[in-house]
Amino acid sequence: EDKVVQSPLSLVVHEGDTVTLNCSYEVTNFRSLLWYKQEKKAPTFLFMLTSSGIEKKSGRLSSILDKKELFSILNITATQTGDSAVYLCAVERGGKLIFGQGTELSVKP
Amino acid sequence: ETGVTQSPTHLIKTRGQQVTLRCSSQSGHNTVSWYQQALGQGPQFIFQYYREEENGRGNFPPRFSGLQFPNYSSELNVNALELDDSALYLCASSLGGTSGYNEQFFGPGTRLTVL
Repeated sequence: EDKVVQSPLSLVVHEGDTVTLNCSYEVTNFRSLLWYKQEKKAPTFLFMLTSSGIEKKSGRLSSILDKKELFSILNITATQTGDSAVYLCAVERGGKLIFGQGTELSVKP
Repeated sequence: ETGVTQSPTHLIKTRGQQVTLRCSSQSGHNTVSWYQQALGQGPQFIFQYYREEENGRGNFPPRFSGLQFPNYSSELNVNALELDDSALYLCASSLGGTSGYNEQFFGPGTRLTVL
């Protein structure tokens, strides 16, 4: 059965800290892995990763995929209170998204 | 804001009732996917509609059904509601029919509470 597992499930840090969120997967016919940020309701797209070892960056956020070991990490440097959210990892399979359970990040001032 | 809209925003029903949730896709998109997100969990794929036809279904019972209209808007119908159906229901629209992954744009969701 296809599976996407995120860790940790929740995390509390202080502003300025660096965090690493983990996502491992067991999905047949893997095509791509996506990261989303969910603050209140609608998940908003962060990154899509298809190739191993190529880092995607957007400001203080970066992500990398390891297709051999079947995992991805999302790094956030110099965290801010506005980074507080649930971060979702999803694997795309045939146009459908298989999500992990999410990591709830809380950034304290 | 993605341009995907959902209605209603919130809904309260009782066990055994039926509910219809609606989604308007982003302009130019022909594919709508529905997801159920229980509290503290990631979204779970319910089904997807492409050009008015069901195009894949997740592990949900037949009392979850859907429709897609010629303008590509969509409905999710749930019959015989159960307490465990309480969740945030998300729809996502995309442009299907091309090779490779097409980004899904999520709506704000409908929060369904079943009492």
